[in-house]
Amino acid sequence: EVQLVESGGGLVQPGGSLRLSCAASGFTFSSYWMSWVRQAPGKGLEWVANIKQDGSEKYYVDSVKGRFTISRDNAKNSLYLQMNSLRAEDTAVYYCAREFQAITAYYFDYWGQGTLVTVSS
Amino acid sequence: QSALTQPASVSGSPGQSITISCTGTSSDVGGYNYVSWYQQHPGKAPKLMIYDVSNRPSGVSNRFSGSKSGNTASLTISGLQAEDEADYYCSSYTSSSTPVFGGGTKLTVL
Repeated sequence: EVQLVESGGGLVQPGGSLRLSCAASGFTFSSYWMSWVRQAPGKGLEWVANIKQDGSEKYYVDSVKGRFTISRDNAKNSLYLQMNSLRAEDTAVYYCAREFQAITAYYFDYWGQGTLVTVSS
Repeated sequence: QSALTQPASVSGSPGQSITISCTGTSSDVGGYNYVSWYQQHPGKAPKLMIYDVSNRPSGVSNRFSGSKSGNTASLTISGLQAEDEADYYCSSYTSSSTPVFGGGTKLTVL
């Protein structure tokens, strides 16, 4: 059974940092692109960042470029999101999601339960 | 990286059919057959309902179907049931090699 379990969320002051983790199990982690998707309270889903199987390619939404860094450790079956210079607008539930990418396919097939990040003084 | 456009809300009675639209551009919805749809109940994680425009994952009811015409994709739910009441989000791959989501549609079953 595929499982994605996020951790590391919490309350942080504006300008602060936080590192989110996602522990993956039930599949060959190193074979999949992985993403972080966030959802602000009462708002819609927003894709944040993704990373290729070997970590050689990374993409970010414009609003987090230069502040957030996505990484992975395939030996530990783990995905990470280092968040620096946090702003109030970064307050959201952050989901870890597995991407299915192929020549004729692209979608998020498994999601974690999310971890809440609150940026407030 | 502009969000895809969805109606904020739709509603229908049990047994009826509803359709949710998702409008983008030729750089996302219109340019790729990589539109997917997600169902999200309150406090829960999103669940994949349709992928690659019109394909259903194993375990998803055949009451859910997807289609696309030009820059607009659609999700149709037939034979509405109370359990279908949820938020629905579309997503598309884009020419920036990144995905984008729609703003979401709240489905109310009357």
